[in-house]
This record gives sequence, C-alpha cells and structure tokens, in this order.
Amino acid sequence: QKEVEQNSGPLSVPEGAIASLNCTYSDRGSQSFFWYRQYSGKSPELIMFIYSNGDKEDGRFTAQLNKASQYVSLLIRDSQPSDSATYLCAVRRTNAGKSTFGDGTTLTVKP
Amino acid sequence: GAVVSQHPSWVICKSGTSVKIECRSLDFQATTMFWYRQFPKQSLMLMATSNEGSKATYEQGVEKDKFLINHASLTLSTLTVTSAHPEDSSFYICSARADRVRGQPQHFGDGTRLSIL
Repeated sequence: QKEVEQNSGPLSVPEGAIASLNCTYSDRGSQSFFWYRQYSGKSPELIMFIYSNGDKEDGRFTAQLNKASQYVSLLIRDSQPSDSATYLCAVRRTNAGKSTFGDGTTLTVKP
Repeated sequence: GAVVSQHPSWVICKSGTSVKIECRSLDFQATTMFWYRQFPKQSLMLMATSNEGSKATYEQGVEKDKFLINHASLTLSTLTVTSAHPEDSSFYICSARADRVRGQPQHFGDGTRLSIL
C-alpha cells in the first residue's frame, strides 16, 4: 500500500461542474496536507494547504480534511478548461520532515 | 511571495559532461531544499533533501557521487550531475521550504530540462 494514494484518473468533468479530487494517506501521525497543481511539462505549484479537520476555502477551491478517516480532498467549483492538469496531494508528518507525494490525479475539464 | 528561481531552464550537452543546476529562494530563507526528478508522464521522485550548512540526505538508490548537492546558504542550493549520460536525461525540479514557521509548504522552481546526447 502506498503512503499517499490518489486515483490516477483521468477524471473528466464538464465546464462549470464541481471537480472532486480525493487522497488517502496511511500515516496517522500526519499533520500537514498540501494540494499542488502540475500542468503538463511544468513544475508543481501550490494551490492550498490544510492542517485542521474540516473545510478550508480559497476562491473556487475547497480543501477538506478528515484525520479520523485519513482522507483529504480538493473540490474545484465552476471548473474551467484551464483547470485541466494533474493534481498532487502531499502529506507531511512533522514540521521539518519531508512530504510524501501521491502520484497525482489527472483532471480534464471539457468545454 | 515564496518565489523559487531555478536555472538553467534547459540544458543540452554531450555525454560525460558535468552539469550544475542552481536553485534560489528569492524572498524567503530556505532552511530545507529538495531535489526531484521526473520522467515524462511519471510521478515526482525525490532525490535528496538538504538543510543549509549540512550534507544532503539522499533517497535510496540515488548515487551521492553522481548527484552532488550543495546547500551553501539559506537562499541557494545547487545540484551537479557529474559525468552525465543519456539515461540522466530528465526533468529536474528543486523545491524550497522555510521551516522556521510551523507547517510551511514547499515551493517549487520551474524545473530544468536536461538532455544528454
């Protein structure tokens, strides 16, 4: 079992729909959770991070964390074709430790 | 804020050449830097983690003598691919993090595409 698991996709949604990206992790001691977006041929860019159970909203993006279920998700509202990318979930146990990345979910938003 | 600059963006060189890639944090002090490699359509692969002033910690299977990492200051880390061969051709990405504030995310540079002929 991988430490951080994501459905590889591709996940396809129509423009304007809500895209839901999911991530599960195995280390119960994980404290910090991050979502990155990576366009094809580019490096990852940070979208959001979350530390506490519940929801965190930033514009069209909402991160949801449930530590009891070891589950973190990213919702993208009003999806746009420009949101088409691979979304990486990253999890970290300690402040100074390294993050473990999932393999990513590829999202395609169709016009 | 949190800008990480990586140079060069592209390198094409002959087999046997050594190549140095620079990674700079422009507006924060990067206490920890990471170097990744990514092959087309594959996942990020962590190569090593470095802390300012300390020797880098390499992941299993990564050759220390092949991939030399120097984290000389809080704003600069370099990766040198020594005696590069075609199989070293890949997308190399650095990432930096300021650990003096709890739970900070890591920020990525734009990456260096290395092609060895």
